[in-house]
Amino acid sequence: GQQLNQSPQSMFIQEGEDVSMNCTSSSIFNTWLWYKQDPGEGPVLLIALYKAGELTSNGRLTAQFGITRKDSFLNISASIPSDVGIYFCAGQGNDMRFGAGTRLTVKP
Amino acid sequence: DAGITQSPRHKVTETGTPVTLRCHQTENHRYMYWYRQDPGHGLRLIHYSYGVKDTDKGEVSDGYSVSRSKTEDFLLTLESATSSQTSVYFCAIRGDRAGQPQHFGDGTRLSIL
Repeated sequence: GQQLNQSPQSMFIQEGEDVSMNCTSSSIFNTWLWYKQDPGEGPVLLIALYKAGELTSNGRLTAQFGITRKDSFLNISASIPSDVGIYFCAGQGNDMRFGAGTRLTVKP
Repeated sequence: DAGITQSPRHKVTETGTPVTLRCHQTENHRYMYWYRQDPGHGLRLIHYSYGVKDTDKGEVSDGYSVSRSKTEDFLLTLESATSSQTSVYFCAIRGDRAGQPQHFGDGTRLSIL
């Protein structure tokens, strides 16, 4: 099945910098989700978006559901070392599709 | 966490042997899923269940079977393991209302030699 196009694949940033990543699809989704995965653990839900155009925040994280319903972005402000990990987007319609992940490295 | 326990967490076995992975949930959710995660492929759906004894195939179901005899347990079986099935396997559960997100277990790392 067609997975989502997530970019960038990896990011190396300095502590305190802002981060932006996005996902695009050729299909429309009813729900966009963002997960974070730490080594040796399963993905943990960060933010869920349910309406086109919706902008939702969770602490330093902000995500938006694209107006076309085919894309979403995630921003992390003022990054800290514990933000290190792999971030996945997921689009949920009749089934669920995942991006390949963005690996984030934060240098102190 | 979301009340999901996967067992075992790690397993090493030989080609041709049968392997069963277990997912146990305490949330009484109707929907349960099995994924595999491989570098460069992300998460891919193997099988899912929408109720006791109700299961269906995902995009990478060949070589795998599942069973759900009670709400809380979803078993994934590799009848005759192959090296290409070396992967990290994740179970996920979802609440019954449409649009609710999936929540994942901590995974089983399976190595087939």
